[in-house]
Amino acid sequence: DIQLTQSPSFLSASVGDRVTITCRASQGISSYLVWYQQKPGKAPKVLIYAASTLQSGVPSRFSGSGSGTEFTLTINSLQPEDFATYFCQQFNSFPMTFGLGTKVEIK
Amino acid sequence: EVQLVESGGGVVQPGGSLRLSCAASGFTFSTFPMYWVRQAPGRGLDYVSAISPDGGFINYASSVQGRFTISRDNSKNTVYLQMGSLRAEDMAVYYCVREAGLSARFFDYWGQGTVVTVSS
Repeated sequence: DIQLTQSPSFLSASVGDRVTITCRASQGISSYLVWYQQKPGKAPKVLIYAASTLQSGVPSRFSGSGSGTEFTLTINSLQPEDFATYFCQQFNSFPMTFGLGTKVEIK
Repeated sequence: EVQLVESGGGVVQPGGSLRLSCAASGFTFSTFPMYWVRQAPGRGLDYVSAISPDGGFINYASSVQGRFTISRDNSKNTVYLQMGSLRAEDMAVYYCVREAGLSARFFDYWGQGTVVTVSS
């Protein structure tokens, strides 16, 4: 199985900050990397797919980059509604594995 | 509006069985791959199983292979997960999930989840 390592697992930031989350794959996954946001008690919501394509309706302050084994999710100018947990997922091959998540909390 | 509504969760003893259902609406169900993904309390997300639009391709996580069976009834717009030989580690919220299209390679809609508790 392909392992995804997310870092950091936790970060504390302020409204207006720029935040970057990294996801590293144990082997190359081309650009088949997806980012989800999850809030407590809710199902995940897709933000970015194909490593860098913004899902319809997602604010443009979210962006993704990378290919192969290293990927990043960037949130420019963090907003109050962005405090949540973020997961990466590889869709290169079965089983579709997820990273362990990055919890973004208010500083 | 796309909706995925899971049902069938509950409390079951170790070794027991449970069948989850996911009723889909708001889209042409028979053309989308469907999945089950679970999340243990306070934990991350785990892929469980996938089924192609016509049911001809099925895949399972190794942790459930041989114990769980995914199926779908396109006439009823429903996907199922039959779970057997349940273990404590199967306890989780189970989400029914839609892949955005054939070979889209991302999930665009999730159900609200149904809770499975394995306890004696």
